[in-house]
Amino acid sequence: EIALTQSPGTLSLSPGERATLSCRASQSVSSRYLAWYQQKPGQAPRLLIYGASTRATGIPDRFSGSGSGTDFTLTISRLEPGDFAVYYCQQSDTSPYTFGQGTKLEIK
Amino acid sequence: EVQVVESGGGLVQPGGSLRLSCAASGFTFSHSTMNWVRQAPGKGLEWVSYISGSSSTIYYADSVKGRFTTSRDNAKNSLYLQMNSLRDEDTAVYYCARAEYTYNFSFDSWGQGTLVTVSS
Repeated sequence: EIALTQSPGTLSLSPGERATLSCRASQSVSSRYLAWYQQKPGQAPRLLIYGASTRATGIPDRFSGSGSGTDFTLTISRLEPGDFAVYYCQQSDTSPYTFGQGTKLEIK
Repeated sequence: EVQVVESGGGLVQPGGSLRLSCAASGFTFSHSTMNWVRQAPGKGLEWVSYISGSSSTIYYADSVKGRFTTSRDNAKNSLYLQMNSLRDEDTAVYYCARAEYTYNFSFDSWGQGTLVTVSS
């Protein structure tokens, strides 16, 4: 099983700042099958990034993804109030299709 | 509009059974792979199961293997999760999620979830 470890667990920032979220895999993951999701309280997750770096439909260009192999990063360039949520990375390369434990992005 | 809607959740005793359904609309269901994902109260996301469009390939998380069965009826645009021998730790919101080739099989569309509570 490929374990995904996200860091930090909680990130406290202010609107307008830049957020950098990390996702590290226990073994190499094809970047084609690495995705990022955003989840707000009481809502279903929403796909942000797929293929490690491609934004899903309707996702603003403030969100960007990068990485390969075992290290992946989600960057939010200028935080807006609606960006404060929990973010998960996930791999669909090898079953079981694991999620990271999540990074909570909170307002400082 | 792509839509998936889960149903069938509820309160069940440990050792009991429950069948969840997911109704799909707005896309060619038979062409899409589908997944079940769950989220225990206050916890993160846990992938549960995958099924290919033709049902020829099905995968399960180790935590549910041998107890849960995923199936689909393409004529009815529906996905199912039969859950047997339920345990306290199966308590969660269960989501169905589409995984399209277009999105490299990431989960691009999610339902609102259905809550399963396992308790005596």
